[in-house]
Amino acid sequence: NAGVTQTPKFRILKIGQSMTLQCAQDMNHNYMYWYRQDPGMGLKLIYYSVGAGITDKGEVPNGYNVSRSTTEDFPLRLELAAPSQTSVYFCASSYSSREQPQHFGDGTRLSIL
Amino acid sequence: EDQVTQSPEALRLQEGESSSLNCSYTVSGLRGLFWYRQDPGKGPEFLFTLYSAGEEKEKERLKATLTKKESFLHITAPKPEDSATYLCAAWTSGGYQKVTFGTGTKLQVIP
Repeated sequence: NAGVTQTPKFRILKIGQSMTLQCAQDMNHNYMYWYRQDPGMGLKLIYYSVGAGITDKGEVPNGYNVSRSTTEDFPLRLELAAPSQTSVYFCASSYSSREQPQHFGDGTRLSIL
Repeated sequence: EDQVTQSPEALRLQEGESSSLNCSYTVSGLRGLFWYRQDPGKGPEFLFTLYSAGEEKEKERLKATLTKKESFLHITAPKPEDSATYLCAAWTSGGYQKVTFGTGTKLQVIP
């Protein structure tokens, strides 16, 4: 049972480059989330989705885009990487809103130089 | 602005030495209070959800409690494998899935 799988685990980008962080879950969860975790700060919600085709902004969405074409996948796109986007990114999922993120992936560690 | 503050930032215990971690919150419209455990290099692992003041939940050596202003995570007779960072988060009424996370308490249990 894989749970939430994130790829890649590590990545270094140059300023201005683009990339997509992948997230897949095999639990048939409706809700999926993207968070970023910076040193000394709490997790911040970037975007979330309540089902295929439905996405919405979280607390810190600027500089990111998402799509949700299937229940299983929820990729996060960085279009023009900036040093401020250096962080650890976590994808999470839950069956319903009330349960909130109960399952997190192991993160993607992204450095932008 | 919603705020969640965890204390202490770090805690070092001898194996078997019980203690408590604190999570104080100042939020509008609390819907739930979550506790997670996070190991180095891993994502948070869900432990508990508390929904109302007075509620308590237990799991092995951990017990979480909730009041109107704070939550405690009590650790009874901890073992080295309990070493981790413990995060709390407040789920509140808001325009989106608003969850405010604390910065965590890093617990080290020494054999």
